[in-house]
Amino acid sequence: QVQVVESGGGVVQPGGSLRLSCAASGFTISTYGMHWLRQAPGKGLEWVAHVRYDGSEKWYADSVKGRFIISRDNLKNKLDLQVNSLRPEDTAVYYCAKDFHGYGAFDPWGQGTVVTVSS
Amino acid sequence: EIVLTQFPGTLSLPPGERVTLSCRASQIANSIFLNWYQHKPGQAPRLLVYGASSRATGIPDRFSGSGSGTDFTLTISRLEPEDFAVYYCQHHSGSTYTFGQGTKLEIK
Repeated sequence: QVQVVESGGGVVQPGGSLRLSCAASGFTISTYGMHWLRQAPGKGLEWVAHVRYDGSEKWYADSVKGRFIISRDNLKNKLDLQVNSLRPEDTAVYYCAKDFHGYGAFDPWGQGTVVTVSS
Repeated sequence: EIVLTQFPGTLSLPPGERVTLSCRASQIANSIFLNWYQHKPGQAPRLLVYGASSRATGIPDRFSGSGSGTDFTLTISRLEPEDFAVYYCQHHSGSTYTFGQGTKLEIK
């Protein structure tokens, strides 16, 4: 069964950092692009970052550029998101998703991990 | 960047009804990269339709997508109780991915 499971969320003060992780099973991430997305409380879905299957290219939403870093470990079959300089508006459920190749879609998604930025 | 606008924002309908959800792009969108998702509270979002009109694996055939250019629709032919959720359209262009703001489908 193809699935992804996120971990690493928590409560952090403004300006703080966290490292989110995504463990993949049922497929080998080395042949797929991977993404992070998020949903803030009461808001819609927002794409956050993408990394190419080989790690050679990384894209970020303007809202997180310069603060978040996406990385992958193909040997461990996992994806990370280092989130730095956190702001209250970064409070959200963070989802990991596999790239649905050729269509710019996301499938499957994980259940998410909650990040709360608050003093 | 293409902006996606979904309407209506909220729909209240009884089970058994046919419903069409709309997604309008701010400029012509490549339909290959227009996708639809279903999201229920506390669950992972689920890909329903990709490439504007192709159903994802395991999605019932009561769900169908269509459209081109700037106007796209998701139709549910006969609402089942499990279909009440928030639906999002999404588009990919260049190095960015955008979502509409969502349509909430409520049980009446």
